[in-house]
Amino acid sequence: AQTVTQSQPEMSVQEAETVTLSCTYDTSESDYYLFWYKQPPSRQMILVIRQEAYKQQNATENRFSVNFQKAAKSFSLKISDSQLGDAAMYFCAYRSELLGSQGNLIFGKGTKLSVKP
Amino acid sequence: DSGVTQTPKHLITATGQRVTLRCSPRSGDLSVYWYQQSLDQGLQFLIQYYNGEERAKGNILERFSAQQFPDLHSELNLSSLELGDSALYFCASSRGVNYGYTFGSGTRLTVV
Repeated sequence: AQTVTQSQPEMSVQEAETVTLSCTYDTSESDYYLFWYKQPPSRQMILVIRQEAYKQQNATENRFSVNFQKAAKSFSLKISDSQLGDAAMYFCAYRSELLGSQGNLIFGKGTKLSVKP
Repeated sequence: DSGVTQTPKHLITATGQRVTLRCSPRSGDLSVYWYQQSLDQGLQFLIQYYNGEERAKGNILERFSAQQFPDLHSELNLSSLELGDSALYFCASSRGVNYGYTFGSGTRLTVV
């Protein structure tokens, strides 16, 4: 079974600085998707960025980018120019692309990010 | 507004009771997923429906059941509630395997 591990329960960053959140996963599959979700205090789950495993190019969405290392099964999220509104819980998630798979997301335990003014 | 609507937002009930949580997926999405988020367990997949049919089951208790109706809205039924069932219950919908989910705002269930 696939697992997702976020080894940093909490992180802190100064406003305008850059922070990287770590995520590793375990799978025997070659085709899958990886996601980062943000959960602010409102508890709403917001998709931040997604990465297809077959793509070598790292995904980027404005100030958010990933470092996808398929061989190492690593999927870190970099937040540049951190803003107060980035303070939230961040979840890494895995989704199989295998035909017949359940298609559900498997989440890590999350990393709580604080942004200091 | 994500397009996925969950009602009610908050629910307080007593142990042993039964409740129904409702979810309307985003327009055009055929898949509905239910997740439970508790403090110590993180986000746990419960069950998936696709166009009215059960597609996958996760860690869903026998006291819990769900269904998806012809108009694609879904209901999660929780019965014989226990204190440990207190959690945030999310519904999400998806357009396909290569998309992430769109989550609703969740239902906060408190069992007292």
